[in-house]
Amino acid sequence: GQQVMQIPQYQHVQEGEDFTTYCNSSTTLSNIQWYKQRPGGHPVFLIQLVKSGEVKKQKRLTFQFGEAKKNSSLHITATQTTDVGTYFCAASRGSGNTGKLIFGQGTTLQVKP
Amino acid sequence: GAGVSQTPSNKVTEKGKYVELRCDPISGHTALYWYRQSLGQGPEFLIYFQGTGAADDSGLPNDRFFAVRPEGSVSTLKIQRTERGDSAVYLCASSLEGQGFTEAFFGQGTRLTVV
Repeated sequence: GQQVMQIPQYQHVQEGEDFTTYCNSSTTLSNIQWYKQRPGGHPVFLIQLVKSGEVKKQKRLTFQFGEAKKNSSLHITATQTTDVGTYFCAASRGSGNTGKLIFGQGTTLQVKP
Repeated sequence: GAGVSQTPSNKVTEKGKYVELRCDPISGHTALYWYRQSLGQGPEFLIYFQGTGAADDSGLPNDRFFAVRPEGSVSTLKIQRTERGDSAVYLCASSLEGQGFTEAFFGQGTRLTVV
């Protein structure tokens, strides 16, 4: 079945260093979403990418969708302690664009002050 | 309400018992989703409602799991004959509509522990 693989599983960085998490699928995706989950919290929507090669920025966060729409990345520049949490990519199940999502395993980010 | 509300926040039950988990979505959101999240994993899709009907229940693991949304707003996830493997955080999410999806809003979840 459709799967979304995410690496790395964990990342420890010093405050101020950059961070990147990668999401890969063996099948073409109609879209990709990114969520952040703080420890003890619930997933919070960050962004959705739909177009091939799309790049979107939110302050220090840069999101990319691959040309083949099979991979995506989230890059954080100059991490801060407030960036701590688990970042999930998620893709719509099937060919539609709905909230029925397949989530990656997540990348847990720890930031040392 | 301001966000998706789930009750109870925690539920401890004995193996073999029946439990109900409630989700109150954001007012006006027609699409409602249930997910299950085990420790260290991403959320796993269970069921999707568009209005009152279950548009997709392919994620329900077996026939012990059932969900309803009789008036197209509040939803209840029901688990019969609970097993220890059912222990997880059950997340509910809602969105403005099912198709043309832009954003899912998650509740805080119900942590279910089966002892």
